Amino acid sequence: EDKVVQSPLSLVVHEGDTVTLNCSYEVTNFRSLLWYKQEKKAPTFLFMLTSSGIEKKSGRLSSILDKKELFSILNITATQTGDSAIYLCVGGSNYKLTFGKGTLLTVNP
Amino acid sequence: EPEVTQTPSHQVTQMGQEVILRCVPISNHLYFYWYRQILGQKVEFLVSFYNNEISEKSEIFDDQFSVERPDGSNFTLKIRSTKLEDSAMYFCASSERTFYEQYFGPGTRLTVT
Repeated sequence: EDKVVQSPLSLVVHEGDTVTLNCSYEVTNFRSLLWYKQEKKAPTFLFMLTSSGIEKKSGRLSSILDKKELFSILNITATQTGDSAIYLCVGGSNYKLTFGKGTLLTVNP
Repeated sequence: EPEVTQTPSHQVTQMGQEVILRCVPISNHLYFYWYRQILGQKVEFLVSFYNNEISEKSEIFDDQFSVERPDGSNFTLKIRSTKLEDSAMYFCASSERTFYEQYFGPGTRLTVT
């Protein structure tokens, strides 16, 4: 059975802190590792990673994939209160996504 | 910016009734998906659909569930005889191609009483 495990499950930081969210995966017919942000309802897409060792960046967020160790991290620098959300690590295979339980990030002012 | 839309936003139904959840995927996307999220749990894959056929389905997607693309824009999920445990948020998603990122609609909260 496909599995995506995220850690920590929750994290409380102060504005300006840097956080690292972890994700390990075991996905049959693995094609990509995706990160989504879930605030109130629907997950919104952040990154898709398909190659090992190549960092993807979007503003203060960055992510990298290690296909040998089956691991990915999501970094958020200079956190803001608006970053408070659940961050979902997702394994992509041929026709479906397998979600982790998410990391609940709370950024306090 | 194009987005996936879903209707209704909230549906309340009695056990044993049929429900149809509707989705309009992003217009140039070819792959369509349904996921569900039971309150407090993780998002779970139900089914993927391409070229008017199911590409893959999970164990959850049993004979009570069906999907259809009745016209060029809508994508529907039907639950024939709802059970209490079908209560969940149902998300529709679409992607331009397989292996591409999927974009999610705002969800339909289904409550079965």
